[in-house]
Amino acid sequence: SAVISQKPSRDICQRGTSLTIQCQVDSQVTMMFWYRQQPGQSLTLIATANQGSEATYESGFVIDKFPISRPNLTFSTLTVSNMSPEDSSIYLCSVEEMDRDYGYTFGSGTRLTVV
Amino acid sequence: DAKTTQPNSMESNEEEPVHLPCNHSTISGTDYIHWYRQLPSQGPEYVIHGLTSNVNNRMASLAIAEDRKSSTLILHRATLRDAAVYYCILRDRSGAGSYQLTFGKGTKLSVIP
Repeated sequence: SAVISQKPSRDICQRGTSLTIQCQVDSQVTMMFWYRQQPGQSLTLIATANQGSEATYESGFVIDKFPISRPNLTFSTLTVSNMSPEDSSIYLCSVEEMDRDYGYTFGSGTRLTVV
Repeated sequence: DAKTTQPNSMESNEEEPVHLPCNHSTISGTDYIHWYRQLPSQGPEYVIHGLTSNVNNRMASLAIAEDRKSSTLILHRATLRDAAVYYCILRDRSGAGSYQLTFGKGTKLSVIP
């Protein structure tokens, strides 16, 4: 399966600032996704990162708050903008693997704490 | 969105088989049934998936009911490392037309030594 490197693994940020999270995959993948996992909760899909075009956001998530880049088939970034304590969560990158008959692989996540 | 229903928690003794149930009564004909697990402080890990037929791999078996409205993940011999939250998910199309995984609350499996 693909190997995903997600950076940073954790960070503590001041409210009002922004953090960019990187997701690097060791092989080319078509579909990349960003999820949020709030403390004690399940995963919620933020958006699908589309290569060469704007990301597709799920209901409740907007580009101004969570801008996403996908410059090629192996890399994507998620920015959490103008952070507040409510943004404290784990953010995870995921890819769909056609070689594994469309199973999905997840990164280990970025644990964000906003103070 | 297609939805699944799982028990909140289950317990198993170490070395015993575990059967994790999942109901998905509104499944459509093209929805794949996926299972993932999440160990503490880690991202979800792929376990198995299938469409209509039962599936086996080195981690687990997936038994799918004939009407596809339910499925069961089978761990043949539970180990302490299998303690995790197990998610049963239907891979369905988003409003934008792409396939996606929509996570429910999952089943927290505890393994007793």
